[in-house]
Amino acid sequence: KNQVEQSPQSLIILEGKNCTLQCNYTVSPFSNLRWYKQDTGRGPVSLTIMTFSENTKSNGRYTATLDADTKQSSLHITASQLSDSASYICVVTFSGGYNKLIFGAGTRLAVHP
Amino acid sequence: DAGVTQSPTHLIKTRGQQVTLRCSPKSGHDTVSWYQQALGQGPQFIFQYYEEEERQRGNFPDRFSGHQFPNYSSELNVNALLLGDSALYLCASSFTKTSEQYFGPGTRLTVT
Repeated sequence: KNQVEQSPQSLIILEGKNCTLQCNYTVSPFSNLRWYKQDTGRGPVSLTIMTFSENTKSNGRYTATLDADTKQSSLHITASQLSDSASYICVVTFSGGYNKLIFGAGTRLAVHP
Repeated sequence: DAGVTQSPTHLIKTRGQQVTLRCSPKSGHDTVSWYQQALGQGPQFIFQYYEEEERQRGNFPDRFSGHQFPNYSSELNVNALLLGDSALYLCASSFTKTSEQYFGPGTRLTVT
């Protein structure tokens, strides 16, 4: 079954600290993996996208890694800011159909001053 | 260049009623996908429209139906609303030859 699992479910960190979010997937075949940031009540916004041949992708203070052999990805946030408080969703594209997106449940991050 | 837009922003309906949500895709996009996101959960795929036809569908009952117009905009209709239909409904658009989907701000539906 094609699934995406994220951990932790929620996380609280202090402003300025770093954190790492995890994503494990069983989607096969897959064409790419994305990390989205979703503010409460808003639509998801893409942070990074990686194909199966890419190991790392950065977007400012966000760095995503991908290990296609172990089917694991991580999102590292450096020097967190209060505005980083949001849900972070890992999304894997199932390439066996019409590029169907398989979503994780997300990690809810709270950055406290 | 306008991104994906959705209307209305918020909606309150009574159980048993019907609702129509609307989505206008990003300029140049021809494919529209709809998702339901319950509070604290990831989005769940409802269906996708391309060339005015439903191309693929998730695990949702027939109460959920849609339509795509010649200008690529789309509607999501939900009949016989249940309390469990309360959620954020997201529309995402893409160009059929790529998988990059851009999400709209969502419509918050509350069923009482």
